[in-house]
Amino acid sequence: KAGVTQTPRYLIKTRGQQVTLSCSPISGHRSVSWYQQTPGQGLQFLFEYFSETQRNKGNFPGRFSGRQFSNSRSEMNVSTLELGDSALYLCASSGRTEAFFGQGTRLTVV
Amino acid sequence: GQQLNQSPQSMFIQEGEDVSMNCTSSSIFNTWLWYKQDPGEGPVLLIALYKAGELTSNGRLTAQFGITRKDSFLNISASIPSDVGIYFCAGRSSNAGGTSYGKLTFGQGTILTVHP
Repeated sequence: KAGVTQTPRYLIKTRGQQVTLSCSPISGHRSVSWYQQTPGQGLQFLFEYFSETQRNKGNFPGRFSGRQFSNSRSEMNVSTLELGDSALYLCASSGRTEAFFGQGTRLTVV
Repeated sequence: GQQLNQSPQSMFIQEGEDVSMNCTSSSIFNTWLWYKQDPGEGPVLLIALYKAGELTSNGRLTAQFGITRKDSFLNISASIPSDVGIYFCAGRSSNAGGTSYGKLTFGQGTILTVHP
């Protein structure tokens, strides 16, 4: 059974640009959640998608958005990148109970 | 919002020693999850707990879901060098209808160093 796949693994962007990250969940899982991990703030919840609908949202500005497709794959987008957006972005795939993470995308904004 | 306090922040131990870490919350959770994260990688699920009072083992790992549903602990017995990493607790709530939403609230992490 394949795990959670996040692409790309590493990304370097310039301030002001936008970026799109992708997450393919475990087959059969309909919930995909996104988290931002930084040394200062730890793991912070961004949003959750379930059956193509955003079900929950964390306290992040509107520059952070996401979507989910009919095959449960999810993307998150960050527009007008700021230096402070540099972080490890993690995607979690959930069935009814447990949550499994991908390897993450390391975003560096310069 | 919900807060999870995880302690200790870091531990330096000798190989073979036992380790204990815990998380406490100001709110009730319906699920507690424990993860281990290596540098540059995503968290790996170690143990999942679903019922208050539940005690679950996974090899040398043992975790318990507190009776009040506001705390959990993780024990590692006979530590080995590959136990090095950051350990996170995470709690998940349910809505009034009992659906477990995906949102996890994480503790700050415990950095474990094991000296051979």
